[in-house]
Amino acid sequence: EAQVTQNPRYLITVTGKKLTVTCSQNMNHEYMSWYRQDPGLGLRQIYYSMNVEVTDKGDVPEGYKVSRKEKRNFPLILESPSPNQTSLYFCASSLTQGAYTGELFFGEGSRLTVL
Amino acid sequence: QKEVEQDPGPLSVPEGAIVSLNCTYSNSAFQYFMWYRQYSRKGPELLMYTYSSGNKEDGRFTAQVDKSSKYISLFIRDSQPSDSATYLCAMSARQGGSEKLVFGKGTKLTVNP
Repeated sequence: EAQVTQNPRYLITVTGKKLTVTCSQNMNHEYMSWYRQDPGLGLRQIYYSMNVEVTDKGDVPEGYKVSRKEKRNFPLILESPSPNQTSLYFCASSLTQGAYTGELFFGEGSRLTVL
Repeated sequence: QKEVEQDPGPLSVPEGAIVSLNCTYSNSAFQYFMWYRQYSRKGPELLMYTYSSGNKEDGRFTAQVDKSSKYISLFIRDSQPSDSATYLCAMSARQGGSEKLVFGKGTKLTVNP
């Protein structure tokens, strides 16, 4: 089954404790991206990757890191989480190089709470 | 002016009603226009996709794009309780060698049996 898999789905952590949210897709997609979704603010892009070893900042990259060492994986790293990073996070992928022409496939989401 | 504006609702309609969802935008460079549907506790899924102006129909769903007015719409005919979800408009363009994809904040729709 074609899918984007995120882990963990739910996480409660404390300020400053490094964490990684993993994302994996099995569709051989070139493009991958991370979004956060907050009430009243909608979906905002954090980082995206057009291909392996190519990443770029989205609209809200502060406090996050990403890497794209393999085509299928695109982990989101919070080096020192803060309460304002409490949010619902979505990973997405697309076949084309650039979401603008392609269909975005989203994962189920990872709800993160930072105390 | 925000780049993409979408009325958050909520919108509540009886089963069988025609639903109209709308977004306006300010960036004339947008070329691709999309509607995503997001069920509670799920990720968004692409519902409709349109390039430039015009209409596109898929079953009970019709997407319209009016680039001259910078206005897009999604119509749902014969709405069903299973259509209850949040609907997100999205639009994209390639600018300066990089892509720009912007989502509306979403309209929450409830279809009552």
